[in-house]
Amino acid sequence: DVKVTQSSRYLVKRTGEKVFLECVQDMDHENMFWYRQDPGLGLRLIYFSYDVKMKEKGDIPEGYSVSREKKERFSLILESASTNQTSMYLCASSSVRAGGNTIYFGEGSWLTVV
Amino acid sequence: EDQVTQSPEALRLQEGESSSLNCSYTVSGLRGLFWYRQDPGKGPEFLFTLYSAGEEKEKERLKATLTKKESFLHITAPKPEDSATYLCAVPEPYRRSNYKLTFGKGTLLTVNP
Repeated sequence: DVKVTQSSRYLVKRTGEKVFLECVQDMDHENMFWYRQDPGLGLRLIYFSYDVKMKEKGDIPEGYSVSREKKERFSLILESASTNQTSMYLCASSSVRAGGNTIYFGEGSWLTVV
Repeated sequence: EDQVTQSPEALRLQEGESSSLNCSYTVSGLRGLFWYRQDPGKGPEFLFTLYSAGEEKEKERLKATLTKKESFLHITAPKPEDSATYLCAVPEPYRRSNYKLTFGKGTLLTVNP
């Protein structure tokens, strides 16, 4: 089974702090994604990556950056956290080589910015 | 830009009461449609992929169907454990054959015993 692991399930951070959300997948997938999910707005794509050191902006990249130094790891960075970044963050991965374009999600990270 | 619309936003059923969820989409060339189930506080769990109009897939009490403009998730004789948010998504290609998904806002299904 595909395993996408998000290291922190629940975080509380202060406004202005730098926040790192880590994600690791164990299936050698080339594509990785970060979404945020908010009530009434659904899942929105923040950033994605199709290869090591490559990144692409999604629909809502403002206030975020990402890092992909290794194929299995994709980090989301909030340079200066703000209260409007309180949300559930979901990491996902996929591979065309795995037979189609199914995206597999982690369990999510709940971030509260106070 | 691809758009995905799900209806209803919320659906409350009695155990055993069959119904359907709808996902309509506007895409420039469908490359598949995905259904996910999401339990509270957890990440979405993959259910089905449909690739062409007329295709159907089943899993336990769930059956997904696809037409040229919409998809239905039929739930037959649901049980309380089917309560969840059901999400549909369409892929948008980027860079050769890789895809990213655009999601609908989901249907919150509650099945009462």
